[in-house]
This record gives sequence, C-alpha cells and structure tokens, in this order.
Amino acid sequence: GAVVSQHPSWVICKSGTSVKIECRSLDFQATTMFWYRQFPKQSLMLMATSNEGSKATYEQGVEKDKFLINHASLTLSTLTVTSAHPEDSSFYICSPRGLAGNEQFFGPGTRLTVL
Amino acid sequence: SQKIEQNSEALNIQEGKTATLTCNYTNYSPAYLQWYRQDPGRGPVFLLLIRENEKEKRKERLKVTFDTTLKQSLFHITASQPADSATYLCALSRDSSYKLIFGSGTRLLVRP
Repeated sequence: GAVVSQHPSWVICKSGTSVKIECRSLDFQATTMFWYRQFPKQSLMLMATSNEGSKATYEQGVEKDKFLINHASLTLSTLTVTSAHPEDSSFYICSPRGLAGNEQFFGPGTRLTVL
Repeated sequence: SQKIEQNSEALNIQEGKTATLTCNYTNYSPAYLQWYRQDPGRGPVFLLLIRENEKEKRKERLKVTFDTTLKQSLFHITASQPADSATYLCALSRDSSYKLIFGSGTRLLVRP
C-alpha cells in the first residue's frame, strides 16, 4: 500500500495555542487530501477536502477559520488547529489520494490533547 | 440521512474459529464498500474493497460479501489468530468524490 506519514504523532498543547499537523505522501503524488478526525470510540468523520493548489472545502459543522488546511505541494498537506480548545482534542488522520483505483490509504494519525 | 451500522459490541472468539463481522447501511446506494483494520492509536489500514456488482471478494484468510438488496456486507476472517485482534471498520463511498463514510467499527478479540 501507499506510504503516508504524519508529524507529530502526538501533541499536547495549552488552550488558546495553535498546532500544525503535517501529512506527507512518500511514494506518490497526492492531488487530493482528505482530513478526518476521530473522537474516542467513534467513527472517523471527514472534516475537509483539499486539492493541490486550491482552497479546501469543509464539511458541514467544521469551522474553516479554525482548521486551516494548506495543500501547496503534491506530497505535503498541513492542518493547523488555531486557538485550540479542549473540545478539539481528538485523533486527526489524513488520507491522500492520487493513485488509480478506489482504495483509500490513511496516515498513522496525530493525537492532539488540549489542556 | 445516510447511515452505516456496525455491531458496537466486541466480538470475542477462540483462536482458529471464523470471525464474522456485519456492516449494514441505509438510505444509500454505494458504488463500492471497503473494510479497514484499525489498531489502538493508529490510522486505518486498508484490507479489501468490493464493488456493487461483486458478490464476494477474497484475500488470503479474508472474505467479504456485499448484498445490495439487503444493504449489508459481511466480513469474515477464517482460522483467526490473536494477531487479528483489532477494530474493523467498514466504509462506503459517499459519491464519486472518493469521500468515505465510516461505521463506528467492531472490536474483535481472538483468544489464544
């Protein structure tokens, strides 16, 4: 399968600070990037979709000014959680797309804990 | 609204037996369905994809069926091993955009 990395794998921050999460597709070019989040014991929920070089589209209920997505290159996308609050604590997972076929691959995830 | 249901109770089986997990969906006609494995603190790992015109798909000890009339998929692991213990997620394509809707997953525990 495709090789996808995320950094950091976990982060703890104070309320009000911003956190940047990086997602890299290591062996293919990701023309599209999906960002999901997963709360404990719940399913993955799509947050936003970005295409390389264009603005991201956000799912209903996801604040675009709070979750900033940058997809400036075909191998790197970043998600910045601005002014994080405890309710933003979650598991954030990226899913790049660029390969032929319908299989979807995911990054290893980033655990964010906001104190 | 579109809904995907997986058994929220953990499935606890003896090593060597066949594990069968269920995924039901409503208000939906997906072009394909995928199964993933997720270990604690890790992202999902792709296992199998089955299309709407396929009844069954196999990969080593894994087998997936897809009944579009019943709106149900079954996921089987034969000759289960303790290493198969994990949470298994089913996911459906929401539309042609490759956006996925996930079930909440079923945790499988295989006892040695």
